[in-house]
Amino acid sequence: AQTVTQSQPEMSVQEAETVTLSCTYDTSESNYYLFWYKQPPSRQMILVIRQEAYKQQNATENRFSVNFQKAAKSFSLKISDSQLGDTAMYFCAFMSLPYGQNFVFGPGTRLSVLP
Amino acid sequence: EADIYQTPRYLVIGTGKKITLECSQTMGHDKMYWYQQDPGMELHLIHYSYGVNSTEKGDLSSESTVSRIRTEHFPLTLESARPSHTSQYLCVAGGLYNEQFFGPGTRLTVL
Repeated sequence: AQTVTQSQPEMSVQEAETVTLSCTYDTSESNYYLFWYKQPPSRQMILVIRQEAYKQQNATENRFSVNFQKAAKSFSLKISDSQLGDTAMYFCAFMSLPYGQNFVFGPGTRLSVLP
Repeated sequence: EADIYQTPRYLVIGTGKKITLECSQTMGHDKMYWYQQDPGMELHLIHYSYGVNSTEKGDLSSESTVSRIRTEHFPLTLESARPSHTSQYLCVAGGLYNEQFFGPGTRLTVL
């Protein structure tokens, strides 16, 4: 069974600075997707970024980028120029392929962006 | 994208009541999921479906049942609610690229 670990239950960062959230996973699969989701306080979960395991290039979405190390089974999220609106719970998630596998979420990291 | 709707958004009921949490999505995605999440905590998969007439239990035994008679509709039923069922319930649809689109959630309190 796959597992996803986020070793940082809580983190904080000053506004405009950069922060990196860690995620490691365990799987014997070779083809899968990895995701980072953001859940602001009392608000809906939204997708931040997605990475296909077969792609070597790290995914980027504006201020969000990942460092995907397949051999190390590591998938960290870097947030540049942190904004107050980035304050949220961040969940790393894994989904194996092909069709038929469900999602596995990590326990989450609570990020606070400080003014 | 998938628009995901959940009703009710908030529900307070007494122990022993039967309740159904509604979930619908407008984009025709085959995969749908129910997660249970205590506020600010991790998510636990309780049911999932890969299409009409397909339902499976997830990792968490929640004493609930689901049905998938139509692609767009995936209701969750608790036959006899207990205080231990107090939580937030998130309905999710799986997108074309395997991302998950979350509904706004139903926050359930069982007294």
